[in-house]
Amino acid sequence: QKEVEQNSGPLSVPEGAIASLNCTYSDRGSQSFFWYRQYSGKSPELIMFIYSNGDKEDGRFTAQLNKASQYVSLLIRDSQPSDSATYLCAVWAGKSTFGDGTTLTVKP
Amino acid sequence: DTAVSQTPKYLVTQMGNDKSIKCEQNLGHDTMYWYKQDSKKFLKIMFSYNNKELIINETVPNRFSPKSPDKAHLNLHINSLELGDSAVYFCASSQVTGPDTQYFGPGTRLTVL
Repeated sequence: QKEVEQNSGPLSVPEGAIASLNCTYSDRGSQSFFWYRQYSGKSPELIMFIYSNGDKEDGRFTAQLNKASQYVSLLIRDSQPSDSATYLCAVWAGKSTFGDGTTLTVKP
Repeated sequence: DTAVSQTPKYLVTQMGNDKSIKCEQNLGHDTMYWYKQDSKKFLKIMFSYNNKELIINETVPNRFSPKSPDKAHLNLHINSLELGDSAVYFCASSQVTGPDTQYFGPGTRLTVL
């Protein structure tokens, strides 16, 4: 079992829809959870982080964490073509472990 | 005003050669990292340094040797390059060691022929 797993994708949504990106992790001691966005040919950049159970909202982005289920998700509301990228989930448990990423395409 | 910079951006070399990648951060961060991203986009940590001290050394062939002359610089030297070393190598930094936002450099695309 991989330490951090993301839905395999690719994920395609129409412009204006909600994109839902999921991530599960195996280490129950994981403390912090990060979502990075990586455009093709570019480096990862942080979108959001979350430490506590529940939801955390930042503009069109909402991160959701459920430690009991070892699950973290990222919702993107009103998806835009500029959101088309690979989204990487990173889990910190002594070090950062990244998932394989989910590639999102938002179609105009 | 680049926060984390890497040189070179592209590196094409023959098998068996030795090469280095340099990284510098001007964010005043204490911790720096090297990651390898393969063709399937999987990003895997290789090394982490905190204020010039090695703190994470993943299962990486000993052909890879990081060096941190000061906390703003972390270089990666690779001996006897192999085809499987072809990847994008990212340097990153964070303010502290621990669960903290990491700021990535632009990456170095290494191609071993």
